[in-house]
Amino acid sequence: EDKVVQSPLSLVVHEGDTVTLNCSYEVTNFRSLLWYKQEKKAPTFLFMLTSSGIEKKSGRLSSILDKKELFSILNITATQTGDSAIYLCATTSGTYKYIFGTGTRLKVLA
Amino acid sequence: SAVISQKPSRDICQRGTSLTIQCQVDSQVTMMFWYRQQPGQSLTLIATANQGSEATYESGFVIDKFPISRPNLTFSTLTVSNMSPEDSSIYLCSVDVQGAPTEAFFGQGTRLTVV
Repeated sequence: EDKVVQSPLSLVVHEGDTVTLNCSYEVTNFRSLLWYKQEKKAPTFLFMLTSSGIEKKSGRLSSILDKKELFSILNITATQTGDSAIYLCATTSGTYKYIFGTGTRLKVLA
Repeated sequence: SAVISQKPSRDICQRGTSLTIQCQVDSQVTMMFWYRQQPGQSLTLIATANQGSEATYESGFVIDKFPISRPNLTFSTLTVSNMSPEDSSIYLCSVDVQGAPTEAFFGQGTRLTVV
């Protein structure tokens, strides 16, 4: 059965800290891995990763995929209180289904 | 990209009643997905709705409880039937615009509370 596992489940840091969120997966016919940020109800898209070793960056956020070891990390540098959210990792497969991990709840303290 | 309008945004319903959630997309899409997010949990796929055919339900979800309509390529509804407090969740519709691999676009979500 396909599954996506995220760690840690929750994290509390102070502003300015750097955090690393982890996502491991076991998916048949893997196509891509996506990261989302969920603050209220609707997740907002951050990154889509399809190739190993290629880092995607957007401001203070970056992410990389390792298809050999079946995991991805999301890094956030110089965290701000506005980064407080649930970060979701999802994979797509040959069936076009999205499988979401349990999420990491990040809280950034001022 | 796709802009998805989902409504209602939230509702409080009595147990035993039903609620229909609507999802309107600003472009034609092949597949629409309905998710449930129970409190403190991640998103769980309820079903995939394709235009012109019956929805495909995931394990643990049945059509009698979550009937879905997909009358055209821009619109879908999900009904939560005979509600109980365990149905209190956020319900999200999502579309895949161009086919994988691509990002999924989400509606604003419906926060349902059953009392």
